[in-house]
Amino acid sequence: SDELTQSPSVSVSPGQTARITCSGDALPKQYAYWYQQRPGQAPLLVIFKDSERPPGIPERFSGSSSGTTVTLTISGVQAEDEADYYCQSADSTAKYVLFGGGTKLTVL
Amino acid sequence: QVQLVESGGGVVQPGRSLRLSCAASGFTVRSHAMHWVRQAPGKGLEWVSVDGKNEYYADSVKGRFTVSRDDFRNTIYLQMNSLRTEDTAVYYCAREYQLLGDAFDIWGQGTMVTVSP
Repeated sequence: SDELTQSPSVSVSPGQTARITCSGDALPKQYAYWYQQRPGQAPLLVIFKDSERPPGIPERFSGSSSGTTVTLTISGVQAEDEADYYCQSADSTAKYVLFGGGTKLTVL
Repeated sequence: QVQLVESGGGVVQPGRSLRLSCAASGFTVRSHAMHWVRQAPGKGLEWVSVDGKNEYYADSVKGRFTVSRDDFRNTIYLQMNSLRTEDTAVYYCAREYQLLGDAFDIWGQGTMVTVSP
């Protein structure tokens, strides 16, 4: 069955670039979305349609797609970016929503 | 202000039922597909269901959970029957927004469901 795979954790120092990847067989056919979730809070949309940024999301957040992998890049990481990040897409039928397992970003 | 507010969570025994509500303000639910997403304690996000042009359910809840909506109250519901301990989670409702490529742009604060003997 379709699924999305993320690495469990990424650690970077402030000011560095964090890259979080998400892999899945359906990704060449379906858009990907990225959500940030801080502890105790609801998820927040940070990237939609692979690479577009919603209003109010800082420019340091960007997304890209290549084949079966999508990447969330956070340039010039700040302490406030420490959170869990989830990719989301749809299965090959476009009926069912898929979430990746989440990546914990630690800012050292 | 555009927002979603969930309610109806609580502690329930296995095999019992519970109905969650998600009240919308600032927009009309009938204009959007609306989703339920859950998160077990310390775990990741798991999609549960969608109420849009069609209803779809995750395999883990199919046949036990049912979504519905009340356009007059501008509210969506998740009827959960035959609850299991593995259904313990925070349940979020979320709006799917076409202008953002069908992303989930608005989320509620979540309501906790605990299924315990």
